[in-house]
Amino acid sequence: AQTVTQSQPEMSVQEAETVTLSCTYDTSESDYYLFWYKQPPSRQMILVIRQEAYKQQNATENRFSVNFQKAAKSFSLKISDSQLGDAAMYFCAYPSGNTPLVFGKGTRLSVIA
Amino acid sequence: GAGVSQSPSNKVTEKGKDVELRCDPISGHTALYWYRQRLGQGLEFLIYFQGNSAPDKSGLPSDRFSAERTGESVSTLTIQRTQQEDSAVYLCASSSSTNEKLFFGSGTQLSVL
Repeated sequence: AQTVTQSQPEMSVQEAETVTLSCTYDTSESDYYLFWYKQPPSRQMILVIRQEAYKQQNATENRFSVNFQKAAKSFSLKISDSQLGDAAMYFCAYPSGNTPLVFGKGTRLSVIA
Repeated sequence: GAGVSQSPSNKVTEKGKDVELRCDPISGHTALYWYRQRLGQGLEFLIYFQGNSAPDKSGLPSDRFSAERTGESVSTLTIQRTQQEDSAVYLCASSSSTNEKLFFGSGTQLSVL
């Protein structure tokens, strides 16, 4: 079975600083996608960033970037210049073939003013 | 519609009663997913519909849970004889195809007393 592991239940960062959230996964696939979702208190899941496994270049979306290490099956999320609005639960997710997304247990990020 | 719509947003029921949760996906999205999120936990896959294919029911926790989808539109998740352990947020998502970005609704908070 596919698994996604987020080893940091909680993280905190000072406003304007950088924080990295870790994620590892287990797969035998060679071509797949990886996702980071954000869940603020409103409950709605919001896509932060997506990485395609066949692309060596790390995905970047404004202040959000990933460090994708395919051989190590690692997919960490870096948030630069953290803002108060970044405070939320962050979930790493991975689909395999035609199976739905499997989510990690999440990391709660607090941003300190 | 503009986004995924779920109703009701909150539901309080008594143990042993049946409940129906509704999801309106984004128009044109062929894939529809139901997830369960217990308090402070990650997302647990329940069921997945893709076009006219047979649904993937592998995540349903018991035979008290069932879901239907009419074509590529509305889906209802039914929980029969609710138990206190069913208390959770039930999230629905849709996508244009598997592995594409999932768009989530705001969920239904189910409380079983």
